[in-house]
Formats: sequence, structure tokens, C-alpha cells
Amino acid sequence: AQSVTQLGSHVSVSEGALVLLRCNYSSSVPPYLFWYVQYPNQGLQLLLKYTTGATLVKGINGFEAEFKKSETSFHLTKPSAHMSDAAEYFCAVRSSLGGTSYGKLTFGQGTILTVHP
Amino acid sequence: DTEVTQTPKHLVMGMTNKKSLKCEQHMGHRAMYWYKQKAKKPPELMFVYSYEKLSINESVPSRFSPECPNSSLLNLHLHALQPEDSALYLCASSQVLAGVVPPYNEQFFGPGTRLTVL
Repeated sequence: AQSVTQLGSHVSVSEGALVLLRCNYSSSVPPYLFWYVQYPNQGLQLLLKYTTGATLVKGINGFEAEFKKSETSFHLTKPSAHMSDAAEYFCAVRSSLGGTSYGKLTFGQGTILTVHP
Repeated sequence: DTEVTQTPKHLVMGMTNKKSLKCEQHMGHRAMYWYKQKAKKPPELMFVYSYEKLSINESVPSRFSPECPNSSLLNLHLHALQPEDSALYLCASSQVLAGVVPPYNEQFFGPGTRLTVL
């Protein structure tokens, strides 16, 4: 079984400050990890994903995340927050096992990011 | 075209009504998904279609009836819903390779339909 824990349901930063959203996963096999962003009343948009290879993954809108196997973490960062970053962020994991054919995503509970002027 | 479109954007229905949600994608994806998302919660998987066949039903009540008439279209038929079914309903699609969805493939989400059941 796999699971995702996002530490902090709400994170508040000032514009221009570092954004750090935490995600820890549990998986018995090497995972595939995703960060999605959801703006109010909209669907989910993929920010970035980790599959294999380089553990530092760069995504859209200046976000990046680092896969740390030893810490079972995949934290999302952005050096300088912008007002437009205010949204809800979901970390998700998918098992690398080929068992199911549809690739079920397991989502964390989400972190709401607020950016203050 | 990398979009998943959903109609309507908003839907209000009574408990005795019958309505349908529609989802469309033209990316050639052969896996399509319905999710339900309650406020301040992550999406919950409801159904998965693979090659227009229902692959997974996550124990969803029969008042929700999915349909995949062709490879681009996914419907969700609603009947006799309850107020607790009010939520954002999201559709997603994903590429299928050799009959499976590779675990590294992301799902592309539509904007959702905001459903209110009175």
C-alpha cells in the first residue's frame, strides 16, 4: 500500500519569500511522485513529476522538488513567492508496480498556500 | 490540443432529477477517469475507463452511472442524488501504452463541474 502525507494544511508566506510545501510518502516499491496545483474552482494542473533519474525536478512556474529516498520525501519549493501562486497544492504517488492497468494516484490531503503582499 | 473539457461548469439539481455530466478530450488518451472532490479534500477516484470499457468502479453508488460512448467522450449520468453528493466532479485522461497506463504518465484534468444537489 502507498500513502502520502502533506505536513501543514495551510502555509502562509509573504510575496518574495521562499515557498516550502512538504510531502512525505510511503511506498514499498520505488514510487512515481507528482505535484499538482489547483486554483479555486478549477481542475488540477501538473506542476512537476519525478519518475527516474535526476532527483531534483524542475516544473512550471518556477517550482521544483527534490526526491529524497532516504527521507521518503518530495518537498516542493519555489525561491520567491508570487501572489499568483496562491492555490491548493496536492502531492500524489503512484506505485511503479505494474499490477493495475490504470495507474491509480494516491493523493495527499492538500496544502493551501496563501501569499501576502 | 492538450485540454480536457467538461460541461456544464455548474449544475444545480433536485433529488428527483436526472442529469448528465460530459467530459471530452482529443489527446488520443485511452484511459479516462471520474473523480469526486469535496471541499478542502483531495480528489477521490470514482471510475476508470480503459479503451472505452469500465475497468474500475470504486464502489460508487448506482445513482452514478458512467458511460464512455467513444474514445474521446466520457459521461456521468446522475439520478436520484442526495445532498451529500454535492461536490466538484473532475474528469481526467491519461495515455495508455501497451494496454496499461505507465506509472510515470500523468493524468490531465478538466476544470470540473460544480454540482449542487438540493
